[in-house]
Amino acid sequence: DIQMTQSPSSLSASVGDSVTITCRASHNINSYLNWYQQRPGKAPKLLIYAASSLQSGVPSRFSGSGSGTDFTLTISSLQPEDSATYYCQQSYSTPRTFGQGTKLEIK
Amino acid sequence: EVQLVESGGDLKQPGGSLRLSCAASGFTFSSYTMSWVRQAPGKGLEWISYISSGSDTIYYADCVKGRFTISRDNAKNSLYLQMNGLRDDDTAVYYCATESNWNKADYWGQGTLVTVSS
Repeated sequence: DIQMTQSPSSLSASVGDSVTITCRASHNINSYLNWYQQRPGKAPKLLIYAASSLQSGVPSRFSGSGSGTDFTLTISSLQPEDSATYYCQQSYSTPRTFGQGTKLEIK
Repeated sequence: EVQLVESGGDLKQPGGSLRLSCAASGFTFSSYTMSWVRQAPGKGLEWISYISSGSDTIYYADCVKGRFTISRDNAKNSLYLQMNGLRDDDTAVYYCATESNWNKADYWGQGTLVTVSS
């Protein structure tokens, strides 16, 4: 199985700041990397797919980059509604493993 | 509008069985691979199974293989998860999700809670 490792596990930032979350795969997954946002008590929501493609309807302040084994999610100009847990997921092979999540707090 | 509505979650004793359903609307269900993903209380997301549009390809995570069975009825726009031999660690919210190009899970249901406890 491909292991996905996210860092940090949590972070805190202020409105207007930019933050970066990293995700590392244990094997080469090309660009088969997705990012999801999950607010408390809600279902996950797809933000980024294919490492850097923005899902329809997602604000452009979310961006993704990387390929192979190392990936990043950047959120610029943080808004209060960005307070959530963010997960990466590899969709290169089964099982489609997720990272352990990064909890983002907006101060 | 795409809608996925899970149902069937309940409190069960260890060793019991349960069948979850996911009713789909707002898209051509028969054209999509579908997945089940679960989330234990306070924990992260765990992918557990998927089924291709025509049911010809099915995969399971090792943690549920041999106990859970995924199926679908394209005529009824419905996805199912038959859960047998339930264990305490199957306690989770179970989500169904579509899977499209790049194998991304682009639409999710609201989830249904399965609790396994004696």
